[in-house]
Order: sequence, then structure tokens, then C-alpha cells
Amino acid sequence: GESVGLHLPTLSVQEGDNSIINCAYSNSASDYFIWYKQESGKGPQFIIDIRSNMDKRQGQRVTVLLNKTVKHLSLQIAATQPGDSAVYFCADVTSGTYKYIFGTGTRLKVLA
Amino acid sequence: DTAVSQTPKYLVTQMGNDKSIKCEQNLGHDTMYWYKQDSKKFLKIMFSYNNKELIINETVPNRFSPKSPDKAHLNLHINSLELGDSAVYFCASSQPGTVGTQYFGPGTRLLVL
Repeated sequence: GESVGLHLPTLSVQEGDNSIINCAYSNSASDYFIWYKQESGKGPQFIIDIRSNMDKRQGQRVTVLLNKTVKHLSLQIAATQPGDSAVYFCADVTSGTYKYIFGTGTRLKVLA
Repeated sequence: DTAVSQTPKYLVTQMGNDKSIKCEQNLGHDTMYWYKQDSKKFLKIMFSYNNKELIINETVPNRFSPKSPDKAHLNLHINSLELGDSAVYFCASSQPGTVGTQYFGPGTRLLVL
């Protein structure tokens, strides 16, 4: 399977700093992209999404950037807080397929 | 007022047993999913149902059989459990029509001994 041999990348940031989590996707036909946050013992929770006709979208303290040329997605978290500590996943999907493909995930650790 | 619920939350069982996991959503969504998350946190889609019709069936052993009695429920039955089935299983749902956000349940932690 795709997960064999992979370990979860970890990003450690100081509280108050900005965090940037990156994700690569492979399907050129994907036209909808989502970032999820998964806290320990819980299911993934929606953070922000973006459609392929946009390259940037902002939410509260979060920004998603989409670069379709290199098939790259990033999540920026401003003023990172201890409550932001979690595993973050990107997912992409092509309209009409319902097949959401999740990235491997990145663990964010916020240091006090 | 839980949006997507799963039962049981924990499931510990012996190899060779048959078990079921239940999922219910009260969001009025037409599409429901089952995902498997392994020990390395990798999330992989297993099945998807749209309006009680199977639309995605990934390369999952046929020991796994989903059943959707109605749009609000998608259950997962697993026959002849194996050690490699140990994982966290998540149910999710999404709105009908164009692709949109998926809402996940809290997960069922399955341990096969």
C-alpha cells in the first residue's frame, strides 16, 4: 500500500509563529482541494477548501494556496496556538468521481 | 446533535471473527464513505455510497461488505477478521451534487488479536 515505508512528517513551530504545511497532489484532473485537521482520537475536521479556479483563499487565521502548475497545495496558519497541534491532511478530488485522495499528513507540534 | 456517529468506538476481537461497524449521519447528505486509517495515519477510501447506491469500491478484500439500508446509514461488515484489519475506520458523509466537504465520524478503533 501507499503507506508502507512512510513516516509522518513533523513540523515544530514556536507558539505565535506562522506555520506552513505543504502538500503535493498527482491528479491533474483534480478540481477541489481541502485541508483537514485531525486531533488525537478524533476524526478529520474541515479547515478550509479551494477550487481549481482560484489560487488563494483565506479563512480565519488560515490561508490555502494552490499552484496547479506544479500540483502543490499549502496551508498557512497565522499566529500558531497550542490548540493547532494536530495532524493536518490535504485531500483532492475530481468533480463527479467522489474519490477523495488524501495526502500522507503532517504532524504540527506547537512549542510553548 | 452529533452529525456523523459511529458505533462501536472500540472493537477488540479475535482473528477469524465477523464484526460490524455502524454509521449514521443526520446531515441530510446523500453520499457516505468508509475510510481506513492505518498506524501511520494514512487515510484510504474503501467505499462510497450515493443515495444507497455503491459508487466507489476500492481494492478492498471481499471480506468487507458495506450495506446502506437508507441514505442516513452506511454499515460495514467484516468477515473472517485478520490481524492486518487492525486500524481505525472512519465513516464520512458529504452533500449531494458537486464535490464538497466531507464530515467525518469519530472513528472505530478495531484491534484484531
